[in-house]
Amino acid sequence: SAVISQKPSRDICQRGTSLTIQCQVDSQVTMMFWYRQQPGQSLTLIATANQGSEATYESGFVIDKFPISRPNLTFSTLTVSNMSPEDSSIYLCSVSRGGVIGTEAFFGQGTRLTVV
Amino acid sequence: QQQVKQSPQSLIVQKGGISIINCAYENTAFDYFPWYQQFPGKGPALLIAIRPDVSEKKEGRFTISFNKSAKQFSLHIMDSQPGDSATYFCAAKYSGAGSYQLTFGKGTKLSVIP
Repeated sequence: SAVISQKPSRDICQRGTSLTIQCQVDSQVTMMFWYRQQPGQSLTLIATANQGSEATYESGFVIDKFPISRPNLTFSTLTVSNMSPEDSSIYLCSVSRGGVIGTEAFFGQGTRLTVV
Repeated sequence: QQQVKQSPQSLIVQKGGISIINCAYENTAFDYFPWYQQFPGKGPALLIAIRPDVSEKKEGRFTISFNKSAKQFSLHIMDSQPGDSATYFCAAKYSGAGSYQLTFGKGTKLSVIP
């Protein structure tokens, strides 16, 4: 398994500001993933962060809005920039590890963001 | 394009009953099918997973049934308990080299009432 710590666990932010979310993993991992989960909805992958290279963003997500850093194999940050109320969501950090029958994904507890 | 369709959206089951959640997928390249359980305020946690070379996998009260020809799989929770009340997500993944992305269903909110 993997122990993933996210900070902050929740925040209320003013529109137009930015918030940086931190993700710390208990051991080294190659890939880290950032998801968004809007209230009552499923998980949508924002980007994949590989240490030492630029993050790969999914359709609909851009680096200017969601810049990601990956300075080492156990840490990553996601910044939500120039926030609007539509950015109110739960943001989840995830890592993958090889399991018995396949690659298993593990998630942090999430950061609940409310933009007012 | 939603590649994994999950139903029902919500489910209410009496304690001791069987909870059944269904998923259907479109991409025949998917070869790994996990189920995740999410409690309020927590991240999703892997519950059970299956590969398409078996038709059923059981872990305790949780069973995945898999129908490759129909491209469907389901989660059965036997003897459902109030503590099982959570949101359940099915997912699918292609395990080829360089592929890491999980495709999630929209989730099922399960409520088990005493």
